[in-house]
Amino acid sequence: ETGVTQTPRHLVMGMTNKKSLKCEQHLGHNAMYWYKQSAKKPLELMFVYSLEERVENNSVPSRFSPECPNSSHLFLHLHTLQPEDSALYLCASSQDWGGRGQENEQFFGPGTRLTVL
Amino acid sequence: GQSLEQPSEVTAVEGAIVQINCTYQTSGFYGLSWYQQHDGGAPTFLSYNALDGLEETGRFSSFLSRSDSYGYLLLQELQMKDSASYFCAVRSASGGSYIPTFGRGTSLIVHP
Repeated sequence: ETGVTQTPRHLVMGMTNKKSLKCEQHLGHNAMYWYKQSAKKPLELMFVYSLEERVENNSVPSRFSPECPNSSHLFLHLHTLQPEDSALYLCASSQDWGGRGQENEQFFGPGTRLTVL
Repeated sequence: GQSLEQPSEVTAVEGAIVQINCTYQTSGFYGLSWYQQHDGGAPTFLSYNALDGLEETGRFSSFLSRSDSYGYLLLQELQMKDSASYFCAVRSASGGSYIPTFGRGTSLIVHP
């Protein structure tokens, strides 16, 4: 039990659909992250939120739209995706954002396996 | 920019010892982390080294040499359940924060 949950675990969508991924952390952390994990590639950081404010956006296409209504919940809204967006989308949280110490290591959720047809 | 290199795959037998290496290039280096990810599972934090030397946690140990920009994860008394992907991640001041940058991962296969 990592304390970070994600729904749905699997999602298949067409290129014209709109869907949302949900992440919830039960750890009392202040920072939350979205990562994309594709086969044979490093984890790619997409967005970072600290205390519900977006602090980093790593040149992610606008078809991905994050939302952080409070420090426990994070959403990733998807629209008009491309087949190359098929990947595992991981949510993570940490005590704080951007700190040096081990206490800022990240706790990951199980991910949403997304397939775009 | 930053880069990390680790082997794509390592195989070993149950009970053996295996070492997974990680070399990195970055500016403003602060620390090296290791994460484990089983198929279909979430990455989980294993260890963090900010200083040179060996850190031991049970069967797992992690080593860092800042002067060589090199670290490794050592797994002893291998068990079948250790079959997983292992990622090294660098913490550096690049970009103004210390968010980890991850390597591509090493797939460890443990045979009976």
